[in-house]
Amino acid sequence: DTGVSQDPRHKITKRGQNVTFRCDPISEHNRLYWYRQTLGQGPEFLTYFQNEAQLEKSRLLSDRFSAERPKGSFSTLEIQRTEQGDSAMYLCASSQRRLGGDTQYFGPGTRLTVL
Amino acid sequence: GQQLNQSPQSMFIQEGEDVSMNCTSSSIFNTWLWYKQDPGEGPVLLIALYKAGELTSNGRLTAQFGITRKDSFLNISASIPSDVGIYFCAGKAAGNKLTFGGGTRVLVKP
Repeated sequence: DTGVSQDPRHKITKRGQNVTFRCDPISEHNRLYWYRQTLGQGPEFLTYFQNEAQLEKSRLLSDRFSAERPKGSFSTLEIQRTEQGDSAMYLCASSQRRLGGDTQYFGPGTRLTVL
Repeated sequence: GQQLNQSPQSMFIQEGEDVSMNCTSSSIFNTWLWYKQDPGEGPVLLIALYKAGELTSNGRLTAQFGITRKDSFLNISASIPSDVGIYFCAGKAAGNKLTFGGGTRVLVKP
C-alpha cells in the first residue's frame, strides 16, 4: 500500500508527558499537512509543509506543539507537556502541487488519549 | 474565520434510496472536496471539484461545485449498507489548508 501512513495508531499518555507522532506521506507528494479532529467534529488544520519548509501554522498550534519535516519526506509532530484537552485524532495528509489544484489524501490518524 | 455549514447533520437511509447532502459557506472556495470517514479511520477522498459549475461522478456518487463557489452538494444513488459513515465536505480557498464542514452522519434505518 502506497498511501499515507501514520505511527502509532493509538497513544495513551499521562498529563504532562511528551508525545511524538510520525507521518510518512505518499512518496511523490511534496506537500504535507497536519490536522486535529475531536469527537463529532470535522478535522481542523494545524500546519503545512512544502518540502522541508513549514509554510503555515494555525493559531491552534500552541507553543507546546512542534512539527518538523527535516528531509522533505516524513514528518513528526511533537506535543510537549500534554494536557487533557490535547486528546484528539491527529491526522496527516499529503498532496502534490499541480496546476488547477491539488488534492489532499489522509492517513489513518493517530488517536491520542491524555489521562 | 471561514466556516462550512453541512446539512443534514444526520440521515437514515434504506437500501436502494437516493440520498443528498450539501455544504454552504459565507466565503468563496476554489476547490471543493468530499470525504467519507469510518470510525477510527482517516477521511477517504470520494470526489474532488476544481471549477465552479463542475459536475463530477464517481460510481454511484455525484458532486457539484456551486456556480457561486460558495456551495457544493453530494448525491449518493441507490444506497447500499456500506454507504453508512460520516461524510465531510471540505473547501480550499487561496491558501493550502482545508476547511471542513461538521459532517453528515449516514445511518441505516432500523
